[in-house]
Amino acid sequence: DAGVIQSPRHEVTEMGQEVTLRCKPISGHNSLFWYRQTMMRGLELLIYFNNNVPIDDSGMPEDRFSAKMPNASFSTLKIQPSEPRDSAVYFCASALGLSQFFGPGTRLTVL
Amino acid sequence: EDQVTQSPEALRLQEGESSSLNCSYTVSGLRGLFWYRQDPGKGPEFLFTLYSAGEEKEKERLKATLTKKESFLHITAPKPEDSATYLCAVLIGGSQGNLIFGKGTKLSVKP
Repeated sequence: DAGVIQSPRHEVTEMGQEVTLRCKPISGHNSLFWYRQTMMRGLELLIYFNNNVPIDDSGMPEDRFSAKMPNASFSTLKIQPSEPRDSAVYFCASALGLSQFFGPGTRLTVL
Repeated sequence: EDQVTQSPEALRLQEGESSSLNCSYTVSGLRGLFWYRQDPGKGPEFLFTLYSAGEEKEKERLKATLTKKESFLHITAPKPEDSATYLCAVLIGGSQGNLIFGKGTKLSVKP
């Protein structure tokens, strides 16, 4: 079974550039979550979708962050413009019930 | 404020030396408590979900238990391959999908 797929796995960019992270959830799952993980703050929820509709985006740090889910099999997290403090590992997770299954993550480095 | 605290932060065991990891929580309206395992450079791997006090779940050398204020992850006769960071997360009553994660316990098992 294919799990949650994320791309790219690693991204290095310069401050001010636009970054787009991609996620393909597990087929049949109806909830999708974007998390950010740092050493200081651990895992934090950024936004989640239910049936492709954004439900809670209170964790999105600021207007530079945006997320979309145009269909049940694809979601993007965009940062524009990126800043060095955005450097972190970004995880996507999907769920059918309450248990969430995580992808391998995208390690983002903003220079 | 909803809070999840894991202890200890790090634990070193000899192979075969059983021990327990603790996850204490202060939340309103617990809907579920989740245990994940995270290996370096990978996404969290789902282990267990516990829904009510008194519930127990087992998987190989791992056993998770839940009380009204905390959960324990018991590791019996651990092996070096059990080395990882173990994360605890809670889903609270007012949220449809917002998992609140603890900072994790980094377990090292020496042969």
